[in-house]
Amino acid sequence: RKEVEQDPGPFNVPEGATVAFNCTYSNSASQSFFWYRQDCRKEPKLLMSVYSSGNEDGRFTAQLNRASQYISLLIRDSKLSDSATYLCVVNTGNKLTFGGGTRVLVKP
Amino acid sequence: GAVVSQHPSWVICKSGTSVKIECRSLDFQATTMFWYRQFPKQSLMLMATSNEGSKATYEQGVEKDKFLINHASLTLSTLTVTSAHPEDSSFYICSARGRGVDYGYTFGSGTRLTVV
Repeated sequence: RKEVEQDPGPFNVPEGATVAFNCTYSNSASQSFFWYRQDCRKEPKLLMSVYSSGNEDGRFTAQLNRASQYISLLIRDSKLSDSATYLCVVNTGNKLTFGGGTRVLVKP
Repeated sequence: GAVVSQHPSWVICKSGTSVKIECRSLDFQATTMFWYRQFPKQSLMLMATSNEGSKATYEQGVEKDKFLINHASLTLSTLTVTSAHPEDSSFYICSARGRGVDYGYTFGSGTRLTVV
């Protein structure tokens, strides 16, 4: 079983719609969690950290469920520029483990 | 904010030659440097972790004699791919972590290596 698993997608999303996807992790000792965004042939860029109480940053909302060991990302009012691969990243003992990424395609 | 400069951004080399990739932290001291590799349509896989002034710790399955990592200073780490082969063609990315709790993980812009 992979340490961090994601649905690879792609999620085809109409512009203006809402899309949500999850990520599961296997190590219950994992300490912190992040969502990164990666555009084609570029380095990952931090989108947001994920906190236990859930957190929101503009159109993006992240949730963490430690009991079920998953995190989620919700994007509201999708923009064309949101098209990217979203990487779930788990920090365990100062080591980052990346999920395989969920590809999101926002279409007009 | 923290910036990591990675060079070169892309390189094409002949099979059997060696390639050096540099990562520099421009405005902070990188106490730990992580080196990743990403094959097409796959996620980033950690190759090794290096702390300034000490030997790198390699992940299982990564040959330390093939992928030489040097982290001699707090602002520079290098990855040398020795005797490169076509199967080493990949996207290599460094990530640096600095001192203090405010410093997260800052990624370099990546190096696309093609071995022909």
